[in-house]
Amino acid sequence: GESVGLHLPTLSVQEGDNSIINCAYSNSASDYFIWYKQESGKGPQFIIDIRSNMDKRQGQRVTVLLNKTVKHLSLQIAATQPGDSAVYFCAEIPTQGAQKLVFGQGTRLTINP
Amino acid sequence: EADIYQTPRYLVIGTGKKITLECSQTMGHDKMYWYQQDPGMELHLIHYSYGVNSTEKGDLSSESTVSRIRTEHFPLTLESARPSHTSQYLCASRRGGTAQYFGPGTRLLVL
Repeated sequence: GESVGLHLPTLSVQEGDNSIINCAYSNSASDYFIWYKQESGKGPQFIIDIRSNMDKRQGQRVTVLLNKTVKHLSLQIAATQPGDSAVYFCAEIPTQGAQKLVFGQGTRLTINP
Repeated sequence: EADIYQTPRYLVIGTGKKITLECSQTMGHDKMYWYQQDPGMELHLIHYSYGVNSTEKGDLSSESTVSRIRTEHFPLTLESARPSHTSQYLCASRRGGTAQYFGPGTRLLVL
């Protein structure tokens, strides 16, 4: 079946350092991937997306990398700030079936002062 | 900012009561979704809709029901609330080929 899993449930980084959050997916037929940020008590917020015809996409302080060979997705956050503390979810949309988003477990990012 | 709204934001209710969680979006999105999420845990899809008069059950079995009479409105109803229904309920919407946008969520506590 389809599954999207994250390598680490928690990540702790120093303020100002770069953060890398990883995600493994199992459905090679997926063609669209999304990263969400969820702060405590709020709904998930869209951060950045990438389609399967791309390897890299950059936003403001964030970069998403897609490695289709090993079915791996990562989110890089540059110069991590206290406001980046949250749970980060990756999600994929398979091209087949009902095209429902498949969410990973989530990684909790904690910023140390 | 996504224009998707959920009410109420918080609800404390007794066992056996009927409740309806409201979700509305003003983006004209055809697809809408309901997720259940316990604190710090993953999201579980409980219902989705691909358009007016279309509703489907999600991956997680749920005793709730939904309706989609208007494009912008996707309410979720629990006929008889139980303590096991205590959770956060998240509504989302999307247009084909784009990301889902989430509402702020409803935190439900059933006593």
